[in-house]
Amino acid sequence: VQLVQSGAEVKNPGASVRVSCTPSGHTFTDYYLHWVRQAPGHGLEYMGWIHPNRGVTNYAQKFSGRVTMTRDTSITTAYMDLSRLTSDDTAVYYCAREPPGTGGFDSWGQGTLVTVSS
Amino acid sequence: QSALTQPASVSGSPGQSITISCTGTSSDVGSHNLVSWYQQHPGKVPQLMIFDVSKRPSGVSDRFSGSKSANMASLTISGLQAEDEADYYCCAHAGRDTYVFGTGTKVTVL
Repeated sequence: VQLVQSGAEVKNPGASVRVSCTPSGHTFTDYYLHWVRQAPGHGLEYMGWIHPNRGVTNYAQKFSGRVTMTRDTSITTAYMDLSRLTSDDTAVYYCAREPPGTGGFDSWGQGTLVTVSS
Repeated sequence: QSALTQPASVSGSPGQSITISCTGTSSDVGSHNLVSWYQQHPGKVPQLMIFDVSKRPSGVSDRFSGSKSANMASLTISGLQAEDEADYYCCAHAGRDTYVFGTGTKVTVL
């Protein structure tokens, strides 16, 4: 199982960013995909999840209104869009897979560094 | 949703056992058995060590064990080894069908 994410991004404050996550080695529509971020020198922060089967999403309250998670089943890729970026959004963003009902994120992407700077 | 509370650091000598606590509320740790633990070495991707409070994924050493009582979960590392030196995070299913991570614990092997 592998989750491959898109490359590093540098954005200006106020802009938006899109990070992609392409799983392989399992059926795309069978697993929840979660997004987690980690600011430099800080801990893990949960952002939300998408179930690729029906595209159902749920976001952590902190990010609600600013984050959108989508998927394209034709290319088995999930996306996380974050808008109105500030320097506080500078972080490594991870996607992670959860086998249904386990609550455990058993496979992670390599991470995507998003830097917000003017 | 506030982060779950973990001690900032825990240390032990090789061969010893250590326990990391993870304190939440009745809305997260106390409400489900969906508690997991992750190990993260510096500059590396987190790795799942425990899920469903006490289950180990295939390939994870049986020196790692998890438990829960009321609103507190715990991760115990037995027979501490140098390679166990890392950051550890708990995670629990929380309100509104989301998840919340702990504040993280740095484990040092003396």
